[in-house]
Amino acid sequence: DVKVTQSSRYLVKRTGEKVFLECVQDMDHENMFWYRQDPGLGLRLIYFSYDVKMKEKGDIPEGYSVSREKKERFSLILESASTNQTSMYLCATSRGTGRYEQYFGPGTRLTVT
Amino acid sequence: LAKTTQPISMDSYEGQEVNITCSHNNIATNDYITWYQQFPSQGPRFIIQGYKTKVTNEVASLFIPADRKSSTLSLPRVSLSDTAVYYCLINTGGFKTIFGAGTRLFVKA
Repeated sequence: DVKVTQSSRYLVKRTGEKVFLECVQDMDHENMFWYRQDPGLGLRLIYFSYDVKMKEKGDIPEGYSVSREKKERFSLILESASTNQTSMYLCATSRGTGRYEQYFGPGTRLTVT
Repeated sequence: LAKTTQPISMDSYEGQEVNITCSHNNIATNDYITWYQQFPSQGPRFIIQGYKTKVTNEVASLFIPADRKSSTLSLPRVSLSDTAVYYCLINTGGFKTIFGAGTRLFVKA
């Protein structure tokens, strides 16, 4: 079974803080994704990585950056957290793109005060 | 990317069959149709995928008509534990996958 873990289930940060969300997968998948989920909006893709040190912007990359130094680890960074970044953050991994199944972590609920 | 439209919510009772229909009028020739399930406080989980006609697995069936402009996820004999949000997606060849708002299914005793 694919296991995708996220560093925290719940996180509370203050406006302006730098926030790191980490995702680790154990299936040697090339592709990793970061999404945010907000009520009524479904999941929106923030960033995608298809290899170590390789990344592509998703639909809403503003205010975020990512880091992938090792294949199994994909970090989402909020350079200066703002209240509108309060959300559920979900990491996913897949063997390929397109029709390949995505495996999701449990999510991190981030609150920025 | 093809847009999908599905009902916002549905109610059902235990033991009933539930059918959730998704419209995707702009689906392209190479696109696949995929459904995910999401329980509260968890990430989405793949349920089923298809290209045309009918696909069945241990969890659900997926019916796709010849024109492929819609698809129907069928859950046989639902139980309370099937209460979740169900997402219909169109998979193109790229890395972007659009998860819409999904259909919130509530199963009552």
